[in-house]
Amino acid sequence: GENVEQHPSTLSVQEGDSAVIKCTYSDSASNYFPWYKQELGKRPQLIIDIRSNVGEKKDQRIAVTLNKTAKHFSLHITETQPEDSAVYFCAASNAGNMLTFGGGTRLMVKP
Amino acid sequence: DVKVTQSSRYLVKRTGEKVFLECVQDMDHENMFWYRQDPGLGLRLIYFSYDVKMKEKGDIPEGYSVSREKKERFSLILESASTNQTSMYLCASSDLQTTEETQYFGPGTRLLVL
Repeated sequence: GENVEQHPSTLSVQEGDSAVIKCTYSDSASNYFPWYKQELGKRPQLIIDIRSNVGEKKDQRIAVTLNKTAKHFSLHITETQPEDSAVYFCAASNAGNMLTFGGGTRLMVKP
Repeated sequence: DVKVTQSSRYLVKRTGEKVFLECVQDMDHENMFWYRQDPGLGLRLIYFSYDVKMKEKGDIPEGYSVSREKKERFSLILESASTNQTSMYLCASSDLQTTEETQYFGPGTRLLVL
């Protein structure tokens, strides 16, 4: 089955700096890669996703890149703000809506 | 706006008790999922269902069972709760009919087994 590894497990940045979270996956058939954000005490919510036919996708301050050859994808947050503090999960899916999640990254943005 | 609700936010049970966690979604989604969330382990899939009365094992089904008698409701059952089942349980749903695979999560149930 699919295995997704996520790094780092914790990340602390100063407000205004950039943050990068990286994930690797094992199943070359995976073709959908979403990122979820979970604020403290709240449910995970989708923030951005990318499919295997696209190399990069941006949405305002967040972007995701995908390298299918190396089987890794990354989340980039620019100009970080305190409200970006949360746990971020990457995931991979190859069929049937089943997602395999990474272990999560706790991002702390210091004001 | 998709709404996924879970029957309890917090539960405290004793070892050996039978525990029912319920999840309801109001968007007519075919797919429903149960995950458990533990620090450093992310979200791990326990069971999922793609239709009424249909169920498939996920990565960690041992000690759990599920029931889907109605499309909108997916129940997770711990037949005999054990302390290693203390965790956050998250339900999710998604629409099989679209190409988007977004999963919508419930607020979670934090279960403590004593």
